[in-house]
This record gives sequence, C-alpha cells and structure tokens, in this order.
Amino acid sequence: DAKTTQPPSMDCAEGRAANLPCNHSTISGNEYVYWYRQIHSQGPQYIIHGLKNNETNEMASLIITEDRKSSTLILPHATLRDTAVYYCIVNFGNEKLTFGTGTRLTIIP
Amino acid sequence: DSGVTQTPKHLITATGQRVTLRCSPRSGDLSVYWYQQSLDQGLQFLIQYYNGEERAKGNILERFSAQQFPDLHSELNLSSLELGDSALYFCASSPRTGYNEQFFGPGTRLTVL
Repeated sequence: DAKTTQPPSMDCAEGRAANLPCNHSTISGNEYVYWYRQIHSQGPQYIIHGLKNNETNEMASLIITEDRKSSTLILPHATLRDTAVYYCIVNFGNEKLTFGTGTRLTIIP
Repeated sequence: DSGVTQTPKHLITATGQRVTLRCSPRSGDLSVYWYQQSLDQGLQFLIQYYNGEERAKGNILERFSAQQFPDLHSELNLSSLELGDSALYFCASSPRTGYNEQFFGPGTRLTVL
C-alpha cells in the first residue's frame, strides 16, 4: 500500500469548510484513496473513498488531483462533532486498512 | 451505531493471563477484521476472517489467535498477556471481501497489570 502524509493537526472554525490534505505520491494506478475518522476513542468511521474522480456523499467531498498524488477531504460546514482524527488510507481495495498517524482536526466554536 | 457489537467493553487482567474478546458483526456481514490500537503503535490490522476462513493476517503475535464461528461472530484470544498488550481492540465487519467500507465496533479496552 502506498504511504500517505498528512499534517499532524489542523484547526477550523465552526461553520466553515474544513479542508484536510493528504499526499500519496507513490500511489499506483489501481489504488483507492479512503478516508476514515476516529472521534475520541470510538471505533473508526468510514467517510468516503475514490479512485480517480472526485466524490461526494452526505458527509464530505473528496477531491483527487489529476496526477492522483494528493487529495483533499472537504467537510463543507464543520460542526463541533467533526472534531476527530482523520485518516487518509491508500490501498488496492483489499481489506487490510493501514492507518497512519492521521490529522487531528479541532473545530473551534 | 455501526451495528457491530463487542464484549466486554473493558477488561482488566494480570500479566500471564489469557482473555477472549468477542465480536458480533453487522447482520449479514461475512467479513470480520480485528485491529489493535495502542499508544505507541497506533491502529494496526491484526487479522481478517471471511465466512469462517482466515483470509488475511497482519501484525498478529503468535500468542494471539482468532476464529470466526458458523454464526459469523468472531473471537480474539490473547494469551500469556504482557503489559504491552494493553490497548484498544476493535472489530470491524463488511458484507464481503473487497468491500470498501468497514464498520467498526466500539472496541474493548484491555488493561494488563
């Protein structure tokens, strides 16, 4: 699985869009980009995934650059409940998720 | 609520002991995964079962073993426990192999004294 690099922490004002970057410069052509988050010590929660195209669901949007070497997770209107550690994971769609250190996102009231 | 249940929520035991952690996947999910989260190692994949068969192995110690039963629930057995085994243990499930989304349970917090 390709290695990912994320900033260790970010702050975002409540109600604003939170943009979380992820670098995955060694990603191969058939590897997917997944995002999960973990609120406090709860079980991780799936957010979204994509291969090449941008994706959107009820939780977030995923923007993948054309060269696929980086991506951005966008939470459009951040709330206090979005405070969590966000993990960017790259793999072939197989089952083994390799979690890095993630980005600790703090939503500021 | 992901639909995945884990018991017990908390477990405190002594070094050298053996414990069993239990996981019930979401209804209909055939794949079960086990992960360990410790302060120094982060979240690590341990093992995966699919419909009763071991499918993938990660950084699972030889002192640890798992199985998935015909009713699809799974158990993770940890033996000869050491202080370093203190961690959160998560179970996740998904409907089938190659499915992109895993649903995680609330975890079992194991403390080894």
